Amino acid sequence: KAGVTQTPRYLIKTRGQQVTLSCSPISGHRSVSWYQQTPGQGLQFLFEYFSETQRNKGNFPGRFSGRQFSNSRSEMNVSTLELGDSALYLCASSLGTSGTHEQFFGPGTRLTVL
Amino acid sequence: AQTVTQSQPEMSVQEAETVTLSCTYDTSESDYYLFWYKQPPSRQMILVIRQEAYKQQNATENRFSVNFQKAAKSFSLKISDSQLGDAAMYFCAFTGANSKLTFGKGITLSVRP
Repeated sequence: KAGVTQTPRYLIKTRGQQVTLSCSPISGHRSVSWYQQTPGQGLQFLFEYFSETQRNKGNFPGRFSGRQFSNSRSEMNVSTLELGDSALYLCASSLGTSGTHEQFFGPGTRLTVL
Repeated sequence: AQTVTQSQPEMSVQEAETVTLSCTYDTSESDYYLFWYKQPPSRQMILVIRQEAYKQQNATENRFSVNFQKAAKSFSLKISDSQLGDAAMYFCAFTGANSKLTFGKGITLSVRP
């Protein structure tokens, strides 16, 4: 079974631009979560989607948004990019939304904001 | 709110030796799960081991085992017979009623040949 895939793997943007990152979960997984990883703040939860509905949201500004499609693929969007948005963005998929389900992580998208 | 604390930023172990990575957490939830994740230089996050809070028996997975002390809210990872491939960043993580993971700051483990 194919793992979680994220595209693109690397991205360079300038301040003020917007960016869209994509995540394709493992086949059959309906939950997709997004995390931001930076050296200073570590790993922080952004949001979780299940069956096209946002189930949980972390403490991030409204510039960060996401959505999930009927095939469970998910996208996250960051508008008006700031230098501090430079990070590794990780996506994880699981069968369901409870803690009983293992989350499988993708390789991440490395975003650099200049 | 849940918090996960990993107080040691770095550790080093000799190949074939045993090392223990520490983690403490805080939560008011009674039903939760604890995890150790490994993140090698490739950045792919890999689940090493998980522990259900309702289980008294400590989880083991080959060379990896945990010491789960629920009353002390402590969850340490023991790696036996350390191998060069164990060198990575290790994160302790918590999840409660939902699947949102709260991570510690991580610890960088190096393995000396």
